[in-house]
Amino acid sequence: AQSVTQPDARVTVSEGASLQLRCKYSYSATPYLFWYVQYPRQGLQMLLKYYSGDPVVQGVNGFEAEFSKSDSSFHLRKASVHWSDSAVYFCAVSAYAGGYKVVFGSGTRLLVSP
Amino acid sequence: EAGVTQSPRYAVLQEGQAVSFWCDPISGHDTLYWYQQPRDQGPQLLVYFRDEAVIDNSQLPSDRFSAVRPKGTNSTLKIQSAKQGDTATYLCASSPPGGRSYEQYFGPGTRLTVL
Repeated sequence: AQSVTQPDARVTVSEGASLQLRCKYSYSATPYLFWYVQYPRQGLQMLLKYYSGDPVVQGVNGFEAEFSKSDSSFHLRKASVHWSDSAVYFCAVSAYAGGYKVVFGSGTRLLVSP
Repeated sequence: EAGVTQSPRYAVLQEGQAVSFWCDPISGHDTLYWYQQPRDQGPQLLVYFRDEAVIDNSQLPSDRFSAVRPKGTNSTLKIQSAKQGDTATYLCASSPPGGRSYEQYFGPGTRLTVL
């Protein structure tokens, strides 16, 4: 079974600073990997996904993530954050088990300070 | 294209009361998922369907929770006798058939408070 660990429950960065949110996964093969964002009182929106190919994938709003098989990681990055990026970010892993079953990490709450 | 819709958006109950949540997936999506998201936690899968068939309901507390998708389109999740521990947001998601079936699209959720 797959699992996801997001070691940082809360991250605070200043507006304009760079960002990295960490994610480690556990699965026997290479699964589908995702980052989702959740704004207050809203559902989850997919930022980006990875399955194969270039280990650096680009997403919406300037986000990117880098897959590392050796490290079993899929960290999310952004070069310059904006106050509107304040939200909760979830890393997720999807693997096929009769259908695609997604397991989410516990989330990282990002606060961008002015 | 319209997204996943859910109703109601909010529900407040006393312990022991019943409640139903309704989900309308994106048109053409054959797989539908229900998740429970307690406050400050990630979503946890309860049950999912392909068309009208249950694929996995192993995480559904079967004594009080039930879910149906009778025509393979809309779905209803019901809690028969709510407990305070059921307080959470209930998220519905759907995914398309074929090569993008690993992508899930989420509705806004129903926030349940059990007093």
